[in-house]
Amino acid sequence: SQQGEEDPQALSIQEGENATMNCSYKTSINNLQWYRQNSGRGLVHLILIRSNEREKHSGRLRVTLDTSKKSSSLLITASRAADTASYFCATDGGNYGQNFVFGPGTRLSVLP
Amino acid sequence: DSGVTQTPKHLITATGQRVTLRCSPRSGDLSVYWYQQSLDQGLQFLIQYYNGEERAKGNILERFSAQQFPDLHSELNLSSLELGDSALYFCASSEAISGNTIYFGEGSWLTVV
Repeated sequence: SQQGEEDPQALSIQEGENATMNCSYKTSINNLQWYRQNSGRGLVHLILIRSNEREKHSGRLRVTLDTSKKSSSLLITASRAADTASYFCATDGGNYGQNFVFGPGTRLSVLP
Repeated sequence: DSGVTQTPKHLITATGQRVTLRCSPRSGDLSVYWYQQSLDQGLQFLIQYYNGEERAKGNILERFSAQQFPDLHSELNLSSLELGDSALYFCASSEAISGNTIYFGEGSWLTVV
């Protein structure tokens, strides 16, 4: 079973708008990571947030983590057409068999 | 460039055949992961090795096997191939067992005909 579940499955916005994607998970984690994947390519690491952190920023990316709700969100501000991709969250539970299990992803389309 | 190298990039083979996918992790990374990505199943974790030892097992079929060699490169062997095994197979690596970023290769496209 998948540990992380992204929501929504697909999101379509206009360039310049903000995009928010959510991730829910089931068990305790050490950290949570967000990745981007352009169609047919490898996954690219975006940001890692540890379980003792609540918010992290990287450029136009903002990630929050709520361990009490077992959820995380990824906000992309001032989106660009180049942000069109699938976004995945992955959880690292530090336990056997619970590491880096990815959800189904959110497909983001940024329209020019 | 993530530093993770996968070969071959593309592979077409017939049902019933066996193939081997190869992965060279980033320099210094001891942990290697294999994932399968297909349209209907999403990104499925198959198996993880750390410094030559199997560390975690996911949804890996019995027809599939993997190993990590002393030089830390890894191979994923897929046998008795079926049409449904057609997918993009990713290798990823990280420094440690957990707690670190994992870096993905560009994948090996396998088409079973």
